[in-house]
Amino acid sequence: TQLLEQSPQFLSIQEGENLTVYCNSSSVFSSLQWYRQEPGEGPVLLVTVVTGGEVKKLKRLTFQFGDARKDSSLHITAAQTGDTGLYLCAGGGYGTASKLTFGTGTRLQVTL
Amino acid sequence: EPEVTQTPSHQVTQMGQEVILRCVPISNHLYFYWYRQILGQKVEFLVSFYNNEISEKSEIFDDQFSVERPDGSNFTLKIRSTKLEDSAMYFCAGGTSGYRNEQFFGPGTRLTVL
Repeated sequence: TQLLEQSPQFLSIQEGENLTVYCNSSSVFSSLQWYRQEPGEGPVLLVTVVTGGEVKKLKRLTFQFGDARKDSSLHITAAQTGDTGLYLCAGGGYGTASKLTFGTGTRLQVTL
Repeated sequence: EPEVTQTPSHQVTQMGQEVILRCVPISNHLYFYWYRQILGQKVEFLVSFYNNEISEKSEIFDDQFSVERPDGSNFTLKIRSTKLEDSAMYFCAGGTSGYRNEQFFGPGTRLTVL
């Protein structure tokens, strides 16, 4: 069974601070995706990384896929209140129509 | 920008009743999925569907569940005899690519079984 553990589970910071969220597994994934989910809504895809060591930037968000493709991190620079939400990592398997295995989630709250 | 749509947004049903959850995927998507999320828990895979047949299903997806793509646009999940523990958000997702495995999710249907 593939498991993805995210840490921390909860994070409360002030606007302007930096933060890093981690997504770890003992399994290798073909791809790693990060989603953001608002209460009562579906996950919204932020980024996909597929190559070990890959780094992708989306404005103030930096995503990295571990060299061994078992882990990933999301770093937010100068957090804003609009970054508040639930961040989910999800690992993709190999093969056609492969499922995503979701992480446990990190709930981020950014206050003024 | 095209989006995945799901209906209804909220379904309340009595235990033992059949429910059909509907999804309209993005038109150029080839791979389709159903996931569920019990309140406060993580998103769980139910089933994947490609080329008009099930590709993979989880242990949750037992004989009470079925999926169908009846007309080339809609993608449905049927639960034949609902149980209390089926209460959850059900998400439809779709994608185009194999190796990148990017999946785009709908807004979900909240199913409440009484």
